[in-house]
Amino acid sequence: DGGITQSPKYLFRKEGQNVTLSCEQNLNHDAMYWYRQDPGQGLRLIYYSQIVNDFQKGDIAEGYSVSREKKESFPLTVTSAQKNPTAFYLCASSISSGVSYEQYFGPGTRLTVT
Amino acid sequence: AQSVAQPEDQVNVAEGNPLTVKCTYSVSGNPYLFWYVQYPNRGLQFLLKYITGDNLVKGSYGFEAEFNKSQTSFHLKKPSALVSDSALYFCAVRVGILTGGGNKLTFGTGTQLKVEL
Repeated sequence: DGGITQSPKYLFRKEGQNVTLSCEQNLNHDAMYWYRQDPGQGLRLIYYSQIVNDFQKGDIAEGYSVSREKKESFPLTVTSAQKNPTAFYLCASSISSGVSYEQYFGPGTRLTVT
Repeated sequence: AQSVAQPEDQVNVAEGNPLTVKCTYSVSGNPYLFWYVQYPNRGLQFLLKYITGDNLVKGSYGFEAEFNKSQTSFHLKKPSALVSDSALYFCAVRVGILTGGGNKLTFGTGTQLKVEL
């Protein structure tokens, strides 16, 4: 899982509450990403950021928000507007915006909303 | 539509035997292909990638993958499987460029590899 940390590992929330997932990297990577993983499905891109103070929506951004105030940090907030928030959330980073660069992943946060 | 497919949900192999995990892709332009492995309740670990060059790509932990343009495939292989190789394997392909640069990846649904004694 390299130099990417995600906390907490497990998170439980009641429906209707917002919750923020932490992602920190010490790899000096410019680009950071948030994915959602559901059983039997591939990863789906929620948000990404190529530089500080800039981020873009991915394929499933509805009900989520992010910020990128520091290069090292890219927190994800799962809002009450997200209809089906229970999932495994993965943060990733890559060296830069070059197409040959692979993404490196954190250990994930498993969110359960009841 | 640009996509990647992993046709097998699960692959079983005996320890010491060769293993193959299949991946096929459909993209316009040059393919950029990646393999990742995921252990239970963990993040994905990068194994190898094909960007250009030799069709046989070598990666981490003794894994390699063969790029076949005519068959649009990028199968993951290992000559001798270990029990510790048991995990979920994902193939990914670049399907576009994100705003600001960087790869927009599409991931396959994953193949569970089970290596038994």
